[in-house]
Amino acid sequence: DAGVIQSPRHEVTEMGQEVTLRCKPISGHNSLFWYRQTMMRGLELLIYFNNNVPIDDSGMPEDRFSAKMPNASFSTLKIQPSEPRDSAVYFCASSPAEGGIYEQYFGPGTRLTVT
Amino acid sequence: AQKVTQAQTEISVVEKEDVTLDCVYETRDTTYYLFWYKQPPSGELVFLIRRNSFDEQNEISGRYSWNFQKSTSSFNFTITASQVVDSAVYFCALSEPGGGFKTIFGAGTRLFVKA
Repeated sequence: DAGVIQSPRHEVTEMGQEVTLRCKPISGHNSLFWYRQTMMRGLELLIYFNNNVPIDDSGMPEDRFSAKMPNASFSTLKIQPSEPRDSAVYFCASSPAEGGIYEQYFGPGTRLTVT
Repeated sequence: AQKVTQAQTEISVVEKEDVTLDCVYETRDTTYYLFWYKQPPSGELVFLIRRNSFDEQNEISGRYSWNFQKSTSSFNFTITASQVVDSAVYFCALSEPGGGFKTIFGAGTRLFVKA
């Protein structure tokens, strides 16, 4: 079975450009999570969805960040406009149950570099 | 508020040595869930184990074992007879209803196993 799929794997963009990260969760999983990992701040939860509905977006840094989950098999994380401090690895994860009760399965991540 | 502390930033051992990674957590809830994840150099986080707060039984899986002690709020991870392939960053994580079942990750412990 396929795991969590993320695209692109690497993204290099210039400051001010729009960036869209994509995620396909494991089929049948009810929850989807977006994380950001940096050396300074470690692994941070940005937002998570239960059954396609955003439950907690308190980790989203600011209005430049937005996330959507139009259906059970697809989610996007958008940054507009991007800034150099957004450079990080962004992970998507999915879980078979709601919230963080059960283990999460992570995608390979998208390494974003904003110049 | 929930918190996970992994005081060991980096550990270096020689192959075949045993090594214990410490994890101390804080929570006000009686029901909560603890996890360990491994992040090898390839970057993808891999789930290792899940424990709920009502199950204090220690667990062994091959060379891996986990010691859960509610009295000291610790959930330590031991690797017996370490191997070079165990080199990775290991994260301890906590999820609790008081935090909306958001998963909070510790800062991680980087383990180097030398041949």
